[in-house]
Amino acid sequence: DTGVSQDPRHKITKRGQNVTFRCDPISEHNRLYWYRQTLGQGPEFLTYFQNEAQLEKSRLLSDRFSAERPKGSFSTLEIQRTEQGDSAMYLCASSPPWGQGNTGELFFGEGSRLTVL
Amino acid sequence: AQSVAQPEDQVNVAEGNPLTVKCTYSVSGNPYLFWYVQYPNRGLQFLLKYITGDNLVKGSYGFEAEFNKSQTSFHLKKPSALVSDSALYFCAVRVYGNKLVFGAGTILRVKS
Repeated sequence: DTGVSQDPRHKITKRGQNVTFRCDPISEHNRLYWYRQTLGQGPEFLTYFQNEAQLEKSRLLSDRFSAERPKGSFSTLEIQRTEQGDSAMYLCASSPPWGQGNTGELFFGEGSRLTVL
Repeated sequence: AQSVAQPEDQVNVAEGNPLTVKCTYSVSGNPYLFWYVQYPNRGLQFLLKYITGDNLVKGSYGFEAEFNKSQTSFHLKKPSALVSDSALYFCAVRVYGNKLVFGAGTILRVKS
């Protein structure tokens, strides 16, 4: 079990550029979550998948944001036309299927820090 | 809305002294409550959870938390603080869809 893996760990980009983050969940976990954390704040929910289906999106996820999990394994989070307000830590988490040892906790990766200049 | 509140931005404690980090919750139904810790530029690490049963739950690194239904609280505690416990602590509650809603966090500073 290698844990939740996120790539890249750090990304610096110029305003207006597109960026993509990747998340590899723990292998037997069917649920995958994206959160955003800005400085001095707690993580805020963005979206989550059960297998390949995106079941919920927060209103924080503007049209410039898109997340996919095409084969129910890894996921990508793309931000188009980045703005300075997008600067944050993007956290990925996963959890096992309900009833298979899932008692609610999420297992987080180390995060991908985005800086938009 | 279901939420948690962490009333203290920062808690300072001397090494060896007991520590408490406060959390109150607002949920409908029975709460599933969690504590996570975050070190600088790192992800969140799970510490402990309350699902049901004993009101005092024990977790990693000597931490424990007390669930109090009448006060809607879930305070994190440790009998003897270590300098290495200095970090950012988050309380969270499970809501519909197995999502977690987090508090704003409390910085714990343990001084030697």
